[in-house]
Amino acid sequence: GQQLNQSPQSMFIQEGEDVSMNCTSSSIFNTWLWYKQDPGEGPVLLIALYKAGELTSNGRLTAQFGITRKDSFLNISASIPSDVGIYFCAGLDLNAGNMLTFGGGTRLMVKP
Amino acid sequence: NAGVTQTPKFQVLKTGQSMTLQCAQDMNHNSMYWYRQDPGMGLRLIYYSASEGTTDKGEVPNGYNVSRLNKREFSLRLESAAPSQTSVYFCASSVGYRGQNEKLFFGSGTQLSVL
Repeated sequence: GQQLNQSPQSMFIQEGEDVSMNCTSSSIFNTWLWYKQDPGEGPVLLIALYKAGELTSNGRLTAQFGITRKDSFLNISASIPSDVGIYFCAGLDLNAGNMLTFGGGTRLMVKP
Repeated sequence: NAGVTQTPKFQVLKTGQSMTLQCAQDMNHNSMYWYRQDPGMGLRLIYYSASEGTTDKGEVPNGYNVSRLNKREFSLRLESAAPSQTSVYFCASSVGYRGQNEKLFFGSGTQLSVL
């Protein structure tokens, strides 16, 4: 099946720092999605990307759909304590069963 | 707005016991899904219902059954629980199943332990 490698798996950062995480795939996707999961809750959609090269922002979050369509990046600027959680990327291949494939998640921990 | 509601929140089963996880959404969504989340493995699709009256297997369907009771409700049943089914289960819904409607709305999860 399709594989999504998400990195890093976890990270500690200092409040105010910028954060970068990425996902790479063994196959091409039509759509990339980024979700955040707070402790004890379900994932919530942050950003959706639909075209290669697309760059989309949501407040302090910026995500990009890679030119090769096999990767995506999420950046968080000026991190704050409420950014703590697990960030998941997800890819959709319309030619492969139309099911979302999720990455393993990046656990973000912020030092106050 | 309740969104997607799952019950129960926590459950402990003994091997061989059966149980049903309930899910309901109030957003008039057509498609509903059941995922399981295991550490470091992201979310894996168990079953989905693209529309009322249809259900299909996902990536990891073995040991599970589902019922799309009506447009609002989608239940997941474990007939004979096994320790390998210890996981956090999430129900989700989306407006539709193709194109830009794949944005999922998740419930808050059920933490299941099978001893």
